Amino acid sequence: GNSVTQMEGPVTLSEEAFLTINCTYTATGYPSLFWYVQYPGEGLQLLLKATKADDKGSNKGFEATYRKETTSFHLEKGSVQVSDSAVYFCALSSRGQNFVFGPGTRLSVLP
Amino acid sequence: NAGVTQTPKFRVLKTGQSMTLLCAQDMNHEYMYWYRQDPGMGLRLIHYSVGEGTTAKGEVPDGYNVSRLKKQNFLLGLESAAPSQTSVYFCASSSQAGGFYEQYFGPGTRLTVT
Repeated sequence: GNSVTQMEGPVTLSEEAFLTINCTYTATGYPSLFWYVQYPGEGLQLLLKATKADDKGSNKGFEATYRKETTSFHLEKGSVQVSDSAVYFCALSSRGQNFVFGPGTRLSVLP
Repeated sequence: NAGVTQTPKFRVLKTGQSMTLLCAQDMNHEYMYWYRQDPGMGLRLIHYSVGEGTTAKGEVPDGYNVSRLKKQNFLLGLESAAPSQTSVYFCASSSQAGGFYEQYFGPGTRLTVT
């Protein structure tokens, strides 16, 4: 079945540092890939997505590229801010099937 | 738009008590989902619904029941709460199943069973 693996963290960075959160997946066919973000005390909200190989999703300075050859969808941001402190979830979804979420990576950004 | 709302936000139950969590969405979505979130385990699907009057089991359905009597509402029931059901519960909805259709999440309900 489909599965998602991501670094569990926690990840602690200083403000303006470069961020990478690794995500790899196992799936049959051609799933869509997502990054969701959960701020403290809130529900998950979509950060970005990519629906086919080599697509790049981007939002709020975050980027991730759908790499079919390495089955990866790593999340990156060039300069993190304190307000980026949250839990980040990688997820995949195949048409007609339910979402599969990774365990989440907690990011703390220190001023 | 309110999106997806959940009530209550917090609840404490004693073992053996029952309760119902309410999820409502105003986006006219066909699909609705109940997840639980536990530390280190991400989100696990409890039950889901592909339309009004239909429900299906997810990954961890035991101890829970659901109903979807109206398209906009999806209820999650615990008939006899157990400490293992202490968790944060999220409801979500989507217009289609899977593929590139994202899920929209509610703010969550934090349930503690003592």
